[in-house]
Amino acid sequence: DAKTTQPPSMDCAEGRAANLPCNHSTISGNEYVYWYRQIHSQGPQYIIHGLKNNETNEMASLIITEDRKSSTLILPHATLRDTAVYYCIVRPGGSQGNLIFGKGTKLSVKP
Amino acid sequence: EPEVTQTPSHQVTQMGQEVILRCVPISNHLYFYWYRQILGQKVEFLVSFYNNEISEKSEIFDDQFSVERPDGSNFTLKIRSTKLEDSAMYFCASSEMDRGEKLFFGSGTQLSVL
Repeated sequence: DAKTTQPPSMDCAEGRAANLPCNHSTISGNEYVYWYRQIHSQGPQYIIHGLKNNETNEMASLIITEDRKSSTLILPHATLRDTAVYYCIVRPGGSQGNLIFGKGTKLSVKP
Repeated sequence: EPEVTQTPSHQVTQMGQEVILRCVPISNHLYFYWYRQILGQKVEFLVSFYNNEISEKSEIFDDQFSVERPDGSNFTLKIRSTKLEDSAMYFCASSEMDRGEKLFFGSGTQLSVL
């Protein structure tokens, strides 16, 4: 089963930052935190991943706590197109093993 | 940006019939996957494929399922004798050998078994 806990849903105002939390208290030292999203039953889309340092790319920022037991995905300026289900997944780095998707967080960006 | 292409987008079949779902992974990718999502449920892993063989499969991927890379560009999922419970959205994905953590997913094939 998924090793992460996420709130089932969140709302965010358009143009504001969306902060999506994820708890992964049983994460082990070699496991990375990955974030994917799924827009309206399309295929999941990779967003970002990290091990222990904070990461930023053109889509989002990932903040991982020092003890690595939780993380936050930040969408700095949410748009209506960011409305989606966001999945936080832990997985050994470099592994070709499968992604285990949980139920994720349904983010609704509202005008 | 390169993308994974899946055909058809919708497939309707009768129970007991064979179906083949087709995927064209990104051209320089070496790892291929099938996932499925039953309506309203989680995305579930089915199988991963590398170097012309299955590298990992889930309990869902039983003898009714098979995968093949028939040529240098296509990757297929065959369901030999479809059941009602096979109705789902099937997603193909691919990844580069040295960036296995970033999977690129196709837009899916909606399979309806009647």
